[in-house]
Amino acid sequence: EAGVTQFPSHSVIEKGQTVTLRCDPISGHDNLYWYRRVMGKEIKFLLHFVKESKQDESGMPNNRFLAERTGGTYSTLKVQPAELEDSGVYFCASSQIAGGWVNEQFFGPGTRLTVL
Amino acid sequence: QKEVEQDPGPLSVPEGAIVSLNCTYSNSAFQYFMWYRQYSRKGPELLMYTYSSGNKEDGRFTAQVDKSSKYISLFIRDSQPSDSATYLCAMSWGYSSASKIIFGSGTRLSIRP
Repeated sequence: EAGVTQFPSHSVIEKGQTVTLRCDPISGHDNLYWYRRVMGKEIKFLLHFVKESKQDESGMPNNRFLAERTGGTYSTLKVQPAELEDSGVYFCASSQIAGGWVNEQFFGPGTRLTVL
Repeated sequence: QKEVEQDPGPLSVPEGAIVSLNCTYSNSAFQYFMWYRQYSRKGPELLMYTYSSGNKEDGRFTAQVDKSSKYISLFIRDSQPSDSATYLCAMSWGYSSASKIIFGSGTRLSIRP
């Protein structure tokens, strides 16, 4: 079974540009989460989708960040315009709704975003 | 104050040693306590989880939770070079697929052959 995949693995952009990160969850996982880790800090929650609906977006830092999950499959996270402090590693995770321990989240390898 | 505090290390021990990793937390509402392992350039991978207080053992790994002290630990016995990674403690609130995870900052562990 394929794990959570993220694209690109690394993105370098200039301040003010737009970047779109993509996450493909494990097939059949209705829960999709975005987290990020900025330099020297802990991994922090950004938001949570259940299928195509935003369940919790309390961690989104500001309105420059827009997450979508059309059709309840893959998700995109757009940063527009990017600022220097947005640099970090963005992780996506997915989990099933039911069965086993429901909140076991499987993480992707992350997208390393560098804003110059 | 951070919700979860974790010594970032780095921690370097010889192969075969017992490793003790620890975290403290401030929110008494946490119910699930997890340890993730993260190798370089990879995403975090769930190693163990514990519900509420108590101990849980899985092979060379033992997780302990003391809710009265708001303190959790991970012990690794007979440590191997392949255990070299960053270990993240993590917590969540309830038995719900909506629970976000709160992470510690991670402890970088190196096992010397």
